[in-house]
Amino acid sequence: NAGVTQTPKFRVLKTGQSMTLLCAQDMNHEYMYWYRQDPGMGLRLIHYSVGEGTTAKGEVPDGYNVSRLKKQNFLLGLESAAPSQTSVYFCASSSGQGADGYTFGSGTRLTVV
Amino acid sequence: GQQLNQSPQSMFIQEGEDVSMNCTSSSIFNTWLWYKQDPGEGPVLLIALYKAGELTSNGRLTAQFGITRKDSFLNISASIPSDVGIYFCAGQFRRGGSNYKLTFGKGTLLTVNP
Repeated sequence: NAGVTQTPKFRVLKTGQSMTLLCAQDMNHEYMYWYRQDPGMGLRLIHYSVGEGTTAKGEVPDGYNVSRLKKQNFLLGLESAAPSQTSVYFCASSSGQGADGYTFGSGTRLTVV
Repeated sequence: GQQLNQSPQSMFIQEGEDVSMNCTSSSIFNTWLWYKQDPGEGPVLLIALYKAGELTSNGRLTAQFGITRKDSFLNISASIPSDVGIYFCAGQFRRGGSNYKLTFGKGTLLTVNP
């Protein structure tokens, strides 16, 4: 009964380094999302996917790339990390059938120094 | 795009008190959702509302879908220390059968003093 699993849970990067955050869901959900959470800013959508092989930009996509090669996985990449990308990142998924809301992962805390 | 105004931004209350928070939107939604985020965790769905005027309870939590479809309210009765966390409202306007985008409020940080 894992739901949505995010790895890693914590990471410290130096400015300019790259990394990939992995999100995996075992609920056979069509839709997946990446959010970032910053104090006072709530949850802001970075990118999302409406199915395997598809991705779309959210409200704050700059500096990030994503891929959805398999239905159960949604990867978030930072090609050249900047201090402004220090944040907590959440992945979520939904079935797209009815208004069942999202299931969230437990987050990745990223610090860029 | 759609915007949600959630208030208050934060609340400090004593254990046993009742709590109210609300969200208003610049446009209509046909679904309202309330989430709670415990410290260090992701948000978890508390209550979902599907019809204007709907009033739904989940234990000590009660939420209402405003009749204008532009607002929603969450009440917590007899608060306890484990109610601490951030509460988010979220709205959705479904087109056809798909529901792939939610709009989130910025959250209400609740602190409960024992």
